[in-house]
Amino acid sequence: EDQVTQSPEALRLQEGESSSLNCSYTVSGLRGLFWYRQDPGKGPEFLFTLYSAGEEKEKERLKATLTKKESFLHITAPKPEDSATYLCAVPTSGTYKYIFGTGTRLKVLA
Amino acid sequence: EAQVTQNPRYLITVTGKKLTVTCSQNMNHEYMSWYRQDPGLGLRQIYYSMNVEVTDKGDVPEGYKVSRKEKRNFPLILESPSPNQTSLYFCASSSRGRDTEAFFGQGTRLTVV
Repeated sequence: EDQVTQSPEALRLQEGESSSLNCSYTVSGLRGLFWYRQDPGKGPEFLFTLYSAGEEKEKERLKATLTKKESFLHITAPKPEDSATYLCAVPTSGTYKYIFGTGTRLKVLA
Repeated sequence: EAQVTQNPRYLITVTGKKLTVTCSQNMNHEYMSWYRQDPGLGLRQIYYSMNVEVTDKGDVPEGYKVSRKEKRNFPLILESPSPNQTSLYFCASSSRGRDTEAFFGQGTRLTVV
């Protein structure tokens, strides 16, 4: 069964304290892994898509990487405005459905 | 401005009273879908549509209906809402279905009493 698991569930960081979020997946024939950011009460906002193992993408303080089993979202020197829930998602095998992880709630303290 | 618009944003209704949540996108996207988001369960896909008149079930379709008569609109229908359908609902659209990122609406917070 296709599955996406994110860890940790919640993370508190001091401003400037770098860390990584994890997204583990089991899906046959990965056709893309998506990262989204969600602020409270709002819809998810797209960050990155990764398609193959070894691929990396960066945007400001965020860097996403992909292996055959998992993806990491690295946050370098975070700021309070990076506080949000970060979601990963994959399209399932052989269908047009998407499954999302339950997210990591990130809180960056000033 | 490219956007996905849902209405209403907030809705309180009673058990069994039919309701429709509208969703419209202005990006000419083929793929549209509905999700519900519940604490601890994350985003779960209810229905999706690959194009006009083409819809299919997601992971949690029970109690919901959809239709896609026009490319830009994808309404979600609850024929007989129940309290377990109290949730935060999101509509999303993307081009080419599984290959590109989704644009999400602002969400509809539904309470069924």
